[in-house]
Amino acid sequence: DTAVSQTPKYLVTQMGNDKSIKCEQNLGHDTMYWYKQDSKKFLKIMFSYNNKELIINETVPNRFSPKSPDKAHLNLHINSLELGDSAVYFCASSPLGLGEQYFGPGTRLTVT
Amino acid sequence: ELKVEQNPLFLSMQEGKNYTIYCNYSTTSDRLYWYRQDPGKSLESLFVLLSNGAVKQEGRLMASLDTKARLSTLHITAAVHDLSATYFCAATAGTASKLTFGTGTRLQVTL
Repeated sequence: DTAVSQTPKYLVTQMGNDKSIKCEQNLGHDTMYWYKQDSKKFLKIMFSYNNKELIINETVPNRFSPKSPDKAHLNLHINSLELGDSAVYFCASSPLGLGEQYFGPGTRLTVT
Repeated sequence: ELKVEQNPLFLSMQEGKNYTIYCNYSTTSDRLYWYRQDPGKSLESLFVLLSNGAVKQEGRLMASLDTKARLSTLHITAAVHDLSATYFCAATAGTASKLTFGTGTRLQVTL
């Protein structure tokens, strides 16, 4: 049973396109996150939702829009993709507040 | 703003020897986490350290936390090849559940 799953695993697209990444967790956690890992392996949080409410919104271009239809799902939509958006995007979830975070397998986004 | 630094960035280890990775953070932190990442894979949680003096061990890995020094260490005992991976520490501060990651330490174990 996969705890945190993401689709797609790989995404190759051209500049200017719009794409979405989906995340689902079956752990019953209240909080979900999106992280970006760049080519140097540096990990940075982008967004966090707690029970469908946005609680962390880091300095991210507004081309990135998260959506949480319910507490088990957190999607990431990216408009007008740019070369610099190429990275691995990880979804994670945790129990309330400061609990341990469990990461999904990642989505490798390549913008050409 | 919380900053987390790790050193070294890269560590070439000989099998059977002991090594330590250091993780410093800049402001008071509620919790300290250690994660492992294999190439092309996700992050696997290793340890969560909750309080000053906390020590946790799993196999050849031992993590400790000194909140007064704002320092956590990950000690590797008798390194073996399957410990080769990138290790990240991460800290949280304040009420938000935001993890701030260190730069990662890439460990490579050689015979």
